Amino acid sequence: LAKTTQPISMDSYEGQEVNITCSHNNIATNDYITWYQQFPSQGPRFIIQGYKTKVTNEVASLFIPADRKSSTLSLPRVSLSDTAVYYCLVGYPYGGSQGNLIFGKGTKLSVKP
Amino acid sequence: GAGVSQSPSNKVTEKGKDVELRCDPISGHTALYWYRQSLGQGLEFLIYFQGNSAPDKSGLPSDRFSAERTGGSVSTLTIQRTQQEDSAVYLCASSHPGEILEAFFGQGTRLTVV
Repeated sequence: LAKTTQPISMDSYEGQEVNITCSHNNIATNDYITWYQQFPSQGPRFIIQGYKTKVTNEVASLFIPADRKSSTLSLPRVSLSDTAVYYCLVGYPYGGSQGNLIFGKGTKLSVKP
Repeated sequence: GAGVSQSPSNKVTEKGKDVELRCDPISGHTALYWYRQSLGQGLEFLIYFQGNSAPDKSGLPSDRFSAERTGGSVSTLTIQRTQQEDSAVYLCASSHPGEILEAFFGQGTRLTVV
């Protein structure tokens, strides 16, 4: 399974754009990149998934360069409610050992007023 | 139900007792995962069920931990002879075949061993 590396923590202020970068140097050809969000006392929640270039939904954007060795989760105009831990995962969507849902330590984002 | 349901939401048990934690996945989801999350820590993979395939038990920390999935639906995680270090939130998730990476999590069971 591809290992991911992301910053342990980040601070931001309300209204700013936040970019969290994840490194996955040994990503496999068939692997996808997935991000989850976890609020305190809740289970993680799927945010976004992509394979290459750019994916956007109502919550975030995901930017993936051509070599796919990293990815950046972009949260536009964050609010206090975006304070959470963000996890980057890499894996094959059609299964495999451990279901490819292996969570690292994540990035703890703190949004300040 | 609409989401993944876990019960109980909280469980306090005495050291040495056995506990059972239950997970009801979303209907039609063939993949089911169990994780453990200690306070302030990341998610620790425990076990993965996929359809009728043999489960991936590689994350179970000791032989005191076991899990079953009956009829491809409900799953039970059993911890025998609980220890204080077993205290954590136990999270269950399920996903649709072909969308393994898009899992839906339950609210978890907070286990406290005293």
